[in-house]
Amino acid sequence: AQTVTQSQPEMSVQEAETVTLSCTYDTSENNYYLFWYKQPPSRQMILVIRQEAYKQQNATENRFSVNFQKAAKSFSLKISDSQLGDTAMYFCAFIPDSGGSNYKLTFGKGTLLTVNP
Amino acid sequence: DTGVSQDPRHKITKRGQNVTFRCDPISEHNRLYWYRQTLGQGPEFLTYFQNEAQLEKSRLLSDRFSAERPKGSFSTLEIQRTEQGDSAMYLCASTRAGGNYNEQFFGPGTRLTVL
Repeated sequence: AQTVTQSQPEMSVQEAETVTLSCTYDTSENNYYLFWYKQPPSRQMILVIRQEAYKQQNATENRFSVNFQKAAKSFSLKISDSQLGDTAMYFCAFIPDSGGSNYKLTFGKGTLLTVNP
Repeated sequence: DTGVSQDPRHKITKRGQNVTFRCDPISEHNRLYWYRQTLGQGPEFLTYFQNEAQLEKSRLLSDRFSAERPKGSFSTLEIQRTEQGDSAMYLCASTRAGGNYNEQFFGPGTRLTVL
């Protein structure tokens, strides 16, 4: 079974600053995918960024980037130039690539990020 | 792409009543998922369909819960004899088959409150 741990229930950052959200996971799988999803208040969850475990290069999407450390089973999200619209709950999620029926996402408990003006 | 839609968005019911939620996935997506999200927690997997076949159910899905996807398009989730512990946000997600790399697109959720 997989577990995903987000140790920061809440974080805050000033507009235009940089913030890093932490995520660790535990799995016996060798091939898998990791995701960061964003859930704004009262709005639906959207994908922010994803990482394939077999890729050493860290994924980037505009102001969002990850630091993926496979050996340490760590997958942190860095948000640069934070904007007020980044205020949301952020979930780290894991899905194995082992085939079969393991197609479900396993989520962490989330980190509530508040961007202050 | 109209996105994943869910109906109703909010449901308040009395303990012991039955409720049914609907999810309409993105039209070309053949995989459909139901998750449950309680306050302060991340979403937890309930069940998943590939086309009309229900391929996996979580232990969280007690006998009071049933899900269907009769024609491989929309899906319904029914909870019978609701309990206060069923109060949660019920999320639906869909994706194309072809690998777990594919993004799961989430609907806005149905918030259930059981009084």
